[in-house]
Amino acid sequence: EPEVTQTPSHQVTQMGQEVILRCVPISNHLYFYWYRQILGQKVEFLVSFYNNEISEKSEIFDDQFSVERPDGSNFTLKIRSTKLEDSAMYFCASRFSVAKSSYEQYFGPGTRLTVT
Amino acid sequence: TQLLEQSPQFLSIQEGENLTVYCNSSSVFSSLQWYRQEPGEGPVLLVTVVTGGEVKKLKRLTFQFGDARKDSSLHITAAQTGDTGLYLCAGPHAGGTSYGKLTFGQGTILTVHP
Repeated sequence: EPEVTQTPSHQVTQMGQEVILRCVPISNHLYFYWYRQILGQKVEFLVSFYNNEISEKSEIFDDQFSVERPDGSNFTLKIRSTKLEDSAMYFCASRFSVAKSSYEQYFGPGTRLTVT
Repeated sequence: TQLLEQSPQFLSIQEGENLTVYCNSSSVFSSLQWYRQEPGEGPVLLVTVVTGGEVKKLKRLTFQFGDARKDSSLHITAAQTGDTGLYLCAGPHAGGTSYGKLTFGQGTILTVHP
């Protein structure tokens, strides 16, 4: 069964460093998302991506964040200068459906980012 | 802002008991999704309910979407230890410039004791 994959599973970085989190969405999906979950808190939306451009972003997704789909399969999230508060689980998700009534999204296993 | 409130936040029961988890909002959602999340892993989609009043069954799990599409419930019959986990409801923002970003409830941590 097709699934969303993410690498690395765990990334430790020092404050101020750049990190790139990678995702391979399900191959025929059209919409791509990044979410994050700080320990003990809700899953929260960061950004959506469709037709090779950002379609929507949250207040969290400031100038330090960027996303890219460099080829037909990968979808990346870059944090330019990490802060302690960026420590969280980051989830990639993808969706195929053009039927707005369902909006089913499939999530990857996540990348645990630890900023020290 | 569309919010989803789940209750209870914690549920601890014995194997064989029945339970219900609720997901409520003051906003109308075009659909609601239920996920299960294990520690350190991503949410796994269980079901999507789309039509007001819809009932879907997944083995011992029964999902219902409220008639007004503002609430949903998850009922587990004869819970097993393997049902232990975090259950999340999530609803998409639709219309306007939204591309279906999900709003999540805070989750219900279910523990089933043998």
